[in-house]
Amino acid sequence: DAKTTQPPSMDCAEGRAANLPCNHSTISGNEYVYWYRQIHSQGPQYIIHGLKNNETNEMASLIITEDRKSSTLILPHATLRDTAVYYCIVRPQYNFNKFYFGSGTKLNVKP
Amino acid sequence: GAVVSQHPSWVICKSGTSVKIECRSLDFQATTMFWYRQFPKQSLMLMATSNEGSKATYEQGVEKDKFLINHASLTLSTLTVTSAHPEDSSFYICSARDVSSQETQYFGPGTRLLVL
Repeated sequence: DAKTTQPPSMDCAEGRAANLPCNHSTISGNEYVYWYRQIHSQGPQYIIHGLKNNETNEMASLIITEDRKSSTLILPHATLRDTAVYYCIVRPQYNFNKFYFGSGTKLNVKP
Repeated sequence: GAVVSQHPSWVICKSGTSVKIECRSLDFQATTMFWYRQFPKQSLMLMATSNEGSKATYEQGVEKDKFLINHASLTLSTLTVTSAHPEDSSFYICSARDVSSQETQYFGPGTRLLVL
């Protein structure tokens, strides 16, 4: 499975957009990019996923570069409740098993 | 999104006893569930894949006789930590894959285990 690299931590001002990068330079053509977040002492929460195209839902937007070697999760208007560890995971398109979590990015949203 | 529950949310037990943790998919069927363990300030580590009606598959280094998994129905998987020791104290999290929507795993809220 392709590995991901994320910065260990980021700060963001409340109300501003939070842009969280993820590098997945060894991703193959049939691997999805998933984003989850984990608020302290809770289970991970699904945010968004994509294969090639950019995706948007009520929580966030996912921007995948054309070569698919990196992606960015965008929280358009960060709130204090968005403070969490954000995980970027790649998963083969036809293998529904086994999400392997990296170390993630701790996003600190500050007032 | 789909809802996954875990019970209990936290448990304290004596060393040498066994502890059972339940994972339920509340509004969808899950042929496959997953069990993770998370130590403080660390990421989630996949322990095993639980398959409905068949044996679980364990990740390398995870003792199958220590962590018993049963997936008896499409909505329930259980993890039993046998002969628990203090080093088994951890945050145990399950996830379930929706049969109708194969692409996404939904996670439970986690169970915090403390072995004295």
